[in-house]
Amino acid sequence: KAGVTQTPRYLIKTRGQQVTLSCSPISGHRSVSWYQQTPGQGLQFLFEYFSETQRNKGNFPGRFSGRQFSNSRSEMNVSTLELGDSALYLCASRTGDRNYGYTFGSGTRLTVV
Amino acid sequence: AQKVTQAQTEISVVEKEDVTLDCVYETRDTTYYLFWYKQPPSGELVFLIRRNSFDEQNEISGRYSWNFQKSTSSFNFTITASQVVDSAVYFCALKDSGGSYIPTFGRGTSLIVHP
Repeated sequence: KAGVTQTPRYLIKTRGQQVTLSCSPISGHRSVSWYQQTPGQGLQFLFEYFSETQRNKGNFPGRFSGRQFSNSRSEMNVSTLELGDSALYLCASRTGDRNYGYTFGSGTRLTVV
Repeated sequence: AQKVTQAQTEISVVEKEDVTLDCVYETRDTTYYLFWYKQPPSGELVFLIRRNSFDEQNEISGRYSWNFQKSTSSFNFTITASQVVDSAVYFCALKDSGGSYIPTFGRGTSLIVHP
């Protein structure tokens, strides 16, 4: 059974640019969540999508957005990149049961220069 | 509101030592779930265990064991006879029955096992 796949693994962008990250969940998992991980802030929740609808949203500015497709694959977009957006972005999927744990992908390491 | 505290930022041990990672949580709910995840250098968080608030039985899985104590709001994780491959960042997480169902993660404990 394939795990959660995130692409690309590494990305270097310039301030002001925008970026799109992709996540393919485990087959059958309809919930996809995104987290930002930085040394200073730890793991911070960005948003969760379930059946193409955003179910929850963390405390991030509107520059951070996401979407989910009918096959449960998800993308997140960050516009007008700032240096502080440099982080490891983790995608996690789970079944529709919110009481179960996540399966995480290996993340996308974004560096903004 | 839910909160998870992992007071140990970094622990360094020598191989074969036992090590305990502490996790203290806060929640007003009586129904909640606790989790531990391992994050090796590759970056992927690996799910280790889930425990619900009604099950205070300790759990052992090979060299890993978990001690859940509601009286002290703690869910500690012990690795027996540590190995170099155990080197990773370990996260404790709490999910209560609040409307969002989003788990809160602790800041993580970095475990370094020296050969």
